[in-house]
Amino acid sequence: ELKVEQNPLFLSMQEGKNYTIYCNYSTTSDRLYWYRQDPGKSLESLFVLLSNGAVKQEGRLMASLDTKARLSTLHITAAVHDLSATYFCAGGAGNMLTFGGGTRLMVKP
Amino acid sequence: GAVVSQHPSWVICKSGTSVKIECRSLDFQATTMFWYRQFPKQSLMLMATSNEGSKATYEQGVEKDKFLINHASLTLSTLTVTSAHPEDSSFYICSARLSYEQYFGPGTRLTVT
Repeated sequence: ELKVEQNPLFLSMQEGKNYTIYCNYSTTSDRLYWYRQDPGKSLESLFVLLSNGAVKQEGRLMASLDTKARLSTLHITAAVHDLSATYFCAGGAGNMLTFGGGTRLMVKP
Repeated sequence: GAVVSQHPSWVICKSGTSVKIECRSLDFQATTMFWYRQFPKQSLMLMATSNEGSKATYEQGVEKDKFLINHASLTLSTLTVTSAHPEDSSFYICSARLSYEQYFGPGTRLTVT
């Protein structure tokens, strides 16, 4: 059974700073996803990582995947207030997704 | 493309009544849809996998007689919460699978009074 753990669960950071969210998973996963969720809203897809060494970037967010370490990271560069949200990683196996516990990010001016 | 809708977006019902939530893939066909439940400040928990033309597969601990799922067409899955109780109050999110992606609906907030 695939288990996914994220840390930290809560992150308060100042605008302009960099930080990384970590996502560990327990067994082989076909692919790794990152999502953003704003309060009261559903999930917005950010990245899908399909292979070892995959790196994807969009704006101030960059995601990477190391399948040997069973680790994915979401790196935030020069954070801005608009990035405040909850971020989830999810491991894909077969049809299904298993979600991490989420990282609630607050970016302060 | 790949848009999923849910209806209603929010619903308030009384204890003991049933509520139906619809999930539609608007611009693609989905043989597989998923239903998740999310409690405040928690992650998404998969409730069941909905397969077009066959019975849903429920996750452990989810009562199939309470949460009825029907996937009657390639674009529509419904979740009916029967005899709802206050502890069923939650945010219900569906998704539809297309290739290796799941596309999420906007969610339905259910409040049972």
